[in-house]
Amino acid sequence: NAGVMQNPRHLVRRRGQEARLRCSPMKGHSHVYWYRQLPEEGLKFMVYLQKENIIDESGMPKERFSAEFPKEGPSILRIQQVVRGDSAAYFCASSPDGRGDTQYFGPGTRLTVL
Amino acid sequence: DQQVKQNSPSLSVQEGRISILNCDYTNSMFDYFLWYKKYPAEGPTFLISISSIKDKNEDGRFTVFLNKSAKHLSLHIVPSQPGDSAVYFCAAGGGGSNYKLTFGKGTLLTVNP
Repeated sequence: NAGVMQNPRHLVRRRGQEARLRCSPMKGHSHVYWYRQLPEEGLKFMVYLQKENIIDESGMPKERFSAEFPKEGPSILRIQQVVRGDSAAYFCASSPDGRGDTQYFGPGTRLTVL
Repeated sequence: DQQVKQNSPSLSVQEGRISILNCDYTNSMFDYFLWYKKYPAEGPTFLISISSIKDKNEDGRFTVFLNKSAKHLSLHIVPSQPGDSAVYFCAAGGGGSNYKLTFGKGTLLTVNP
């Protein structure tokens, strides 16, 4: 039973480029969450999605960031026109319900912006 | 405004002794608390949780204590093993937003053989 999968594991982008991070939830999980961990910080909630719906994006920066979880395929976190401050580890979690205490985390994508 | 605080960035313990990791919170509306263990280049792995209506939960070598009046919880690992060396995150959830976890900054535990 595969866990939460994220790819790529490492992503390097130059300033101004776009970054696309993918997350495939665990089998049977229809709830997906994205968290960001800046250096020396804890994980910070970004967005909560169910299939085809954004439930809560209160943790997302207002500009350049977007997320989707289409009917088919993985959830995508998209960062347009990346800046150095976007360098961080981005973790995806999934759950079978909309609870925080049933979330399983993926290995993360480490984004480096040059 | 940091609602979950782990004031010790690091802790070093001898193998076989007790490790005590501490966490403070400010939001009295949190319904549950969790501890995660994280190795470098991996995602957080769930370790143990406690509901806000309990004061203790035990699972093998791991015990979490909750003191609601002090808004404080702690994770005890007995006996500590070298494989326990990792970053430990305290997280809280509930309180009107049942899906959103609020994390502390983590404590790096090193268990020396």
